Amino acid sequence: DVKVTQSSRYLVKRTGEKVFLECVQDMDHENMFWYRQDPGLGLRLIYFSYDVKMKEKGDIPEGYSVSREKKERFSLILESASTNQTSMYLCASSQDYPYGYTFGSGTRLTVV
Amino acid sequence: GQQVMQIPQYQHVQEGEDFTTYCNSSTTLSNIQWYKQRPGGHPVFLIQLVKSGEVKKQKRLTFQFGEAKKNSSLHITATQTTDVGTYFCAGAFGSNYKLTFGKGTLLTVNP
Repeated sequence: DVKVTQSSRYLVKRTGEKVFLECVQDMDHENMFWYRQDPGLGLRLIYFSYDVKMKEKGDIPEGYSVSREKKERFSLILESASTNQTSMYLCASSQDYPYGYTFGSGTRLTVV
Repeated sequence: GQQVMQIPQYQHVQEGEDFTTYCNSSTTLSNIQWYKQRPGGHPVFLIQLVKSGEVKKQKRLTFQFGEAKKNSSLHITATQTTDVGTYFCAGAFGSNYKLTFGKGTLLTVNP
C-alpha cells in the first residue's frame, strides 16, 4: 500500500515563527497536495505539485509556500505563522489523473 | 470558483436504518470520488465514478453518478456502528487532477 508520512502529528508554534510541515510518499506518485481541514469548512486546497519543482496555487495559498525538490517529498511552509493558521493539515498524493488520493495522518498545528 | 455542494451536513440514524448523502455541482464533473474519514482519522479513498449514469457497489454501499455528471450519491443500506464517520465527495473538473471536496456529511449511528 502507498504510504504518505507526515513528520509530526501535533505541533505548537508561536506567532511569527517560520513553520515547516514535511510530507513524504513512498510510491513514486507524480502528484502531491496540501489541504487544511477546519470544522464546517471541509478540506481546502492550499497548494499542489504535479512534478518535481513544479507547483500550483490552490484555493487558499495566502500565507503559505511549498517546496518540492525531490519527487517523494513535498513541504509546506508557513512564512510567518499566525493564529488563523491553526488547523489540521493533510498531505495527499496520487498517481496521474484520475486516481484517488492517499492521505497522510495529518498534522494538527496550533499557533499561539 | 468551482464548488461541490454536499448535503446533509449531519445525519443521525439508528443502527439498521439506511443513509444517503448527496453531492451536486453546477458544472459538469469529469469524475467524482468518495472518501470516508473516521473520527480522529484521515480521509480514505472509497471509490471513483467516471461514466455518466455509473453505479458501483461495495457490499452495503452504493455509489451513483448522475446522467449529466453533475451530481452523485452514496447510499448505505442497513447502517452499522462501524459506518460512523464523515463521508466526503470530491469532484474533478475537466482534465484537472486536483479535487474539489464537498464539506462532508457526518454520520452517527445509534446502536
